[in-house]
Amino acid sequence: SQTIHQWPATLVQPVGSPLSLECTVEGTSNPNLYWYRQAAGRGLQLLFYSVGIGQISSEVPQNLSASRPQDRQFILSSKKLLLSDSGFYLCASRTGHGTEAFFGQGTRLTVV
Amino acid sequence: SQQGEEDPQALSIQEGENATMNCSYKTSINNLQWYRQNSGRGLVHLILIRSNEREKHSGRLRVTLDTSKKSSSLLITASRAADTASYFCATAPLGSGAGSYQLTFGKGTKLSVIP
Repeated sequence: SQTIHQWPATLVQPVGSPLSLECTVEGTSNPNLYWYRQAAGRGLQLLFYSVGIGQISSEVPQNLSASRPQDRQFILSSKKLLLSDSGFYLCASRTGHGTEAFFGQGTRLTVV
Repeated sequence: SQQGEEDPQALSIQEGENATMNCSYKTSINNLQWYRQNSGRGLVHLILIRSNEREKHSGRLRVTLDTSKKSSSLLITASRAADTASYFCATAPLGSGAGSYQLTFGKGTKLSVIP
């Protein structure tokens, strides 16, 4: 099975500061990668997904961007954080659209 | 956008009772999956049911799928305190191309099992 490494676990950032969250995958190659955001007590909102290096699909217009510089690396970024960017960010990996997703442990981002 | 909608939003039962959670979705799917999330943690995959399957079992879990009604249910039998968690359904759409790789989650059901 796959292992998803996500860091940091928690992050407190001031409004207007940049953001970089990194996710790396072990145990598979050429995965489909996903970034989700979860507001407190809510469901998961799909932010970005990637089916290959350099291929990024965005689901919602927002202050965030994603990049996939390597096959098993997925990065979520922002140039200037907003208060509304606070939330629980989860990275996930799948090997195909007929398979299950493996999740990282998440990053709790608080923008102050 | 949210595809699945779980019902109820919250469920509280006694240990030993069965817990049933429902999920409705909107578009045609390749498969439907159920996940569990302990508070503040990542999601863990429980079971996947394909669009041509009607029922699937895994241990104390039973999942049904009715594609004509675009709905699924998750039954946890003989619940335990350790089953306390949030449960989410997720749908993978039919089709080809990059869009078919989306995996869209509902808002979840928060299950509390009282010892």
